[in-house]
Amino acid sequence: QVQLQESGPGLVKPSQTLSLTCTVSGDPISSGDYYWSWIRQPPGKGLEWIGYIYYRGSTYYNSSLKSRATISMNTSKNQFSLKLSSVTAADTAVYFCAREAWPAGYFDSWGQGTLVTVSS
Amino acid sequence: DIQMTQSPSSLSASVGDRVTITCQASQDISNYLNWYQQKPGRAPKLLIYDASNLETGVPSRFSGSGSGTDFTFTISSLQPEDIATYYCQQYDNLRVTFGQGTRLEIK
Repeated sequence: QVQLQESGPGLVKPSQTLSLTCTVSGDPISSGDYYWSWIRQPPGKGLEWIGYIYYRGSTYYNSSLKSRATISMNTSKNQFSLKLSSVTAADTAVYFCAREAWPAGYFDSWGQGTLVTVSS
Repeated sequence: DIQMTQSPSSLSASVGDRVTITCQASQDISNYLNWYQQKPGRAPKLLIYDASNLETGVPSRFSGSGSGTDFTFTISSLQPEDIATYYCQQYDNLRVTFGQGTRLEIK
C-alpha cells in the first residue's frame, strides 16, 4: 500500500523560498502509472492544486502561481519536492502531496499534510 | 482554466436524509470529475472517480452522476460519520481545479 509523507520547515519568512519534500513508500515514482502532485489548503479554506510531475520529469503547474512553483523528483530516494519562491502570508497553508492516477486525473492517495506558516 | 461551481456551500440535514451536491464546470469535461470527503484535520479521501465510479471500500450510499458540464453527488441515507466537507475536482488538459467545497452538518 502506497504511503506519502511530507517534510520541511513549518515556518518561512516572507520573500523567501518554501521547500517541501514528499517521501513515497510502496510505489516507485518512476513507474509511469501516476502523476505526483502538490495541493495546498489555506486555513479554513478550500483546496488548491499547485502542480505535478510525471516520471519523465514533465511538470505542469497552476497558472495562478505565476511561475513561482517548481516541482522536481529524486527517483533514487523515491521523493519529489516543491519549491515556492517569493512567499507571502497568502502562501500560509497546509501542503499535501498526493498521487494522481494517469490519465484519469483523480487523487487516490494523500500525505497527511504539513502546515507551513509564512511570517517574519 | 476551467472553473468549477459547487453548490450549496453548506448544507444541514438529518440522519437518514438524502443529500445532493452539485458541481458545474465552465466547459465540457466529459466525465473527468471526482468527489472527495474531507474531515477536519485530515487529508481528503477519494469517494467517486470518473463521475460515477465508487472507489474501493467506499460505502454504496455514496454515488455520483453526470457528464459534460453538470454533475451530482448523492448520499442516499445520511449517517453521522458523513459529517465532513465535500469537494468536486475536475481534470482537463493536464490541469486540475477543485470546487469551493460543501460543508455538511447534521441538523
